[in-house]
Amino acid sequence: EAGVTQFPSHSVIEKGQTVTLRCDPISGHDNLYWYRRVMGKEIKFLLHFVKESKQDESGMPNNRFLAERTGGTYSTLKVQPAELEDSGVYFCASSQDGLKKDYTFGSGTRLTVV
Amino acid sequence: AQSVTQPDIHITVSEGASLELRCNYSYGATPYLFWYVQSPGQGLQLLLKYFSGDTLVQGIKGFEAEFKRSQSSFNLRKPSVHWSDAAEYFCAVGPRHGSGNTGKLIFGQGTTLQVKP
Repeated sequence: EAGVTQFPSHSVIEKGQTVTLRCDPISGHDNLYWYRRVMGKEIKFLLHFVKESKQDESGMPNNRFLAERTGGTYSTLKVQPAELEDSGVYFCASSQDGLKKDYTFGSGTRLTVV
Repeated sequence: AQSVTQPDIHITVSEGASLELRCNYSYGATPYLFWYVQSPGQGLQLLLKYFSGDTLVQGIKGFEAEFKRSQSSFNLRKPSVHWSDAAEYFCAVGPRHGSGNTGKLIFGQGTTLQVKP
């Protein structure tokens, strides 16, 4: 069974550009989560989808970040325009039933804004 | 405020020595507790988790952790460290099932383990 897939694995963009990160959850997982870790800091929650609906987006840093999950399958996280402080590793996780079952992380996307 | 503290940013141990990584949390009600490991170039891998029951939990790769409610701690241990254990370790907590917010994890800052030959 495929795990949680994220791509690209690495992205280097210039300040002011747009970047879109993608996460493909495990098939059948209704719950999808985005996290990020900026350098030297802890991993922080960004938002949670249940199917295509945003259940909790309390961790989204500002309106330059837009997350979507059309059709309740894969999700995208767009940063527009990117700023230097957006550099970090963006993780996606999916689960069948919150934290109780099969909560699985992807390998992350390392974003560098120069 | 909800938080997780891993007091040790870096730890170096000799191969074959024992290991203990500390984790303390502040959460209100007792949360679910997790330890994850991230090896270079890899994603977050679950080592072990505590939901309820026996407070000493066994995980993969020979790791174990003990939940101590009175100390709000969930320390990770391994009796004999191998060179392949060099990685970054994260303690995390999350809400119990049915308590509303389903699945948001709060992480500590991580502890980087270096293993000396």
